[in-house]
Amino acid sequence: RKEVEQDPGPFNVPEGATVAFNCTYSNSASQSFFWYRQDCRKEPKLLMSVYSSGNEDGRFTAQLNRASQYISLLIRDSKLSDSATYLCVAEMTYGGSQGNLIFGKGTKLSVKP
Amino acid sequence: DAGITQSPRHKVTETGTPVTLRCHQTENHRYMYWYRQDPGHGLRLIHYSYGVKDTDKGEVSDGYSVSRSKTEDFLLTLESATSSQTSVYFCAISELRGRGANYGYTFGSGTRLTVV
Repeated sequence: RKEVEQDPGPFNVPEGATVAFNCTYSNSASQSFFWYRQDCRKEPKLLMSVYSSGNEDGRFTAQLNRASQYISLLIRDSKLSDSATYLCVAEMTYGGSQGNLIFGKGTKLSVKP
Repeated sequence: DAGITQSPRHKVTETGTPVTLRCHQTENHRYMYWYRQDPGHGLRLIHYSYGVKDTDKGEVSDGYSVSRSKTEDFLLTLESATSSQTSVYFCAISELRGRGANYGYTFGSGTRLTVV
């Protein structure tokens, strides 16, 4: 089983729509979680950390469900500039790489006019 | 943005030749990482460093070696490049690492390597 799994999409949505991405992680001991955004042919950039209590940053809301081991990202009022690939990230919790981050393959979002 | 630069940005090399990629940071962060990104695989960790001269293997370390002789520089070497090592290579840095810490990585702009 992959450490972090995401629906690759693409999600094609109109401007102004609300869109939600989910991802699952395999190791219940993971403590740190993040969402990254990656534009085409660019480096990944940290979008937001994910806290157990849920957290919001403007139009973006991240949630963590430890019981089900999934992480979600909600984008409200989508903008054309939100078009990108969104990477779900969890901490590796075993072996020599404990503490390193594991990246999902990403979910592609395309926001249309 | 954090000061992290990768060089070269693009490189084409022949099979069997050695290649070294450089990551340079001006943030004095302790941890540095090398990832490769390929279609269908996402980002995969090659090697990482937790201090000067302290390095360890990641998920896909075969065929790669690293060195960190100074805090600011982390070098990735392909001893004898193969076509399967054609990829985009990203370096990342972080100040913190470990259970529960908020330690998102900052990435460099990447190196596009083509092995022909």
